[in-house]
Amino acid sequence: DSGVTQTPKHLITATGQRVTLRCSPRSGDLSVYWYQQSLDQGLQFLIHYYNGEERAKGNILERFSAQQFPDLHSELNLSSLELGDSALYFCASSPGGLDTIYFGEGSWLTVV
Amino acid sequence: DQQVKQNSPSLSVQEGRISILNCDYTNSMFDYFLWYKKYPAEGPTFLISISSIKDKNEDGRFTVFLNKSAKHLSLHIVPSQPGDSAVYFCAAANRDDKIIFGKGTRLHILP
Repeated sequence: DSGVTQTPKHLITATGQRVTLRCSPRSGDLSVYWYQQSLDQGLQFLIHYYNGEERAKGNILERFSAQQFPDLHSELNLSSLELGDSALYFCASSPGGLDTIYFGEGSWLTVV
Repeated sequence: DQQVKQNSPSLSVQEGRISILNCDYTNSMFDYFLWYKKYPAEGPTFLISISSIKDKNEDGRFTVFLNKSAKHLSLHIVPSQPGDSAVYFCAAANRDDKIIFGKGTRLHILP
């Protein structure tokens, strides 16, 4: 158990819909990262938040957005969903700076 | 534009032998490198890391080597055990606050 909690674990939704994935970081961790893992793809970096502020953006679509709240939990919002958005979405956390990041178990999103 | 490359999608190694997983990177600004192991239906778990000021870091059966001039790092697992069968991801970080992962190498440990 990494201490990072992601909900929901599985989600099936229709194209065009909007979903929210939630992440609770390890106790005391200020940094939250979001990654997308599609079939045959590695872990694609989406976005990094540190203590409520966006620190870096990766290959995140404009239809996707994220935020980190004062209690440090984070949400990834995916809208106007397409079939190609079906993937495993991972959240990871770290204390901050150049440090090891610890992953949650992921949220499986299936768009039908 | 793949900044972190793991050119071997899969690797098979006999149990008890050495497993060597390779990783190349293109961005000379990376200064921290990590290896993760992933089993199916689980999140990646941290294995070992190395700072760019070092060229070797060892933790039990796992050793990571860094060759900065070649922009190359490798993970050695000795001796390989059946439980080591998994997907291994190499990752690199810099002060842009991004941690970039490779596509992974699937390691099969053969009995």
